[in-house]
Amino acid sequence: QVQLQESGPGLVKPSETLSLTCTVSGSSVTAYYWSWIRQPPGEGLEWIGCIYNTGTTYYNPSLKSRLTISVDTSKRQVSLKLSSVTAADTAVYYCARNFGVLNYYDSWGQGTLVTVSS
Amino acid sequence: EVVLTQSPATLSLSPGERATLSCRASQSVSSHVAWYQQKPGQAPRLVIYDASNRATGIPDRFSGRGSGTDFTLTISNLEPEDFAVYYCQERDNWPPFFGGGTKVEIK
Repeated sequence: QVQLQESGPGLVKPSETLSLTCTVSGSSVTAYYWSWIRQPPGEGLEWIGCIYNTGTTYYNPSLKSRLTISVDTSKRQVSLKLSSVTAADTAVYYCARNFGVLNYYDSWGQGTLVTVSS
Repeated sequence: EVVLTQSPATLSLSPGERATLSCRASQSVSSHVAWYQQKPGQAPRLVIYDASNRATGIPDRFSGRGSGTDFTLTISNLEPEDFAVYYCQERDNWPPFFGGGTKVEIK
């Protein structure tokens, strides 16, 4: 059974960098694309970006200038860094496995709430 | 960018009834639409992909149809565990977009 577990600080100060890690178990890390998706409290879903084991990344243009997604296959981890955060970046952040090569998401982590506040 | 408009925003139904959810795209997305179910405090769950294919483990009371700009998710014979928010999502454009969601609540 695929399990994804997000981890990282729940509180980040404005202008600082949000850093999250997703640890994968029960699935090959190298055979799939891995995505980050966020959901502001009470709102809908926004796709952030994804990565393949080769390091190939695809980013949401609205976040691209602030975003870095990386993968460490030896640790079975996918990481997200979002710089210069503001209150608008407050959200539940999910990591998710892409459904094959398609941009659908068939396995999700439980999500982690990150609040941007001083 | 494509905009996905879901309607209605809220659907109030009783267990055993049929739910019909709509997702309309601002431009054609072929059949490249998925539907997700999200319960409070939980991550979304893939229900339907490519408009009409049920994901693994999804019961056959869930069905999807549509192509181009108009898509429908139907839940026949609602079970108590089906009351949730449902999101559509397209993969035909970059970046992939989600609709605003339809809440299926108990009447």
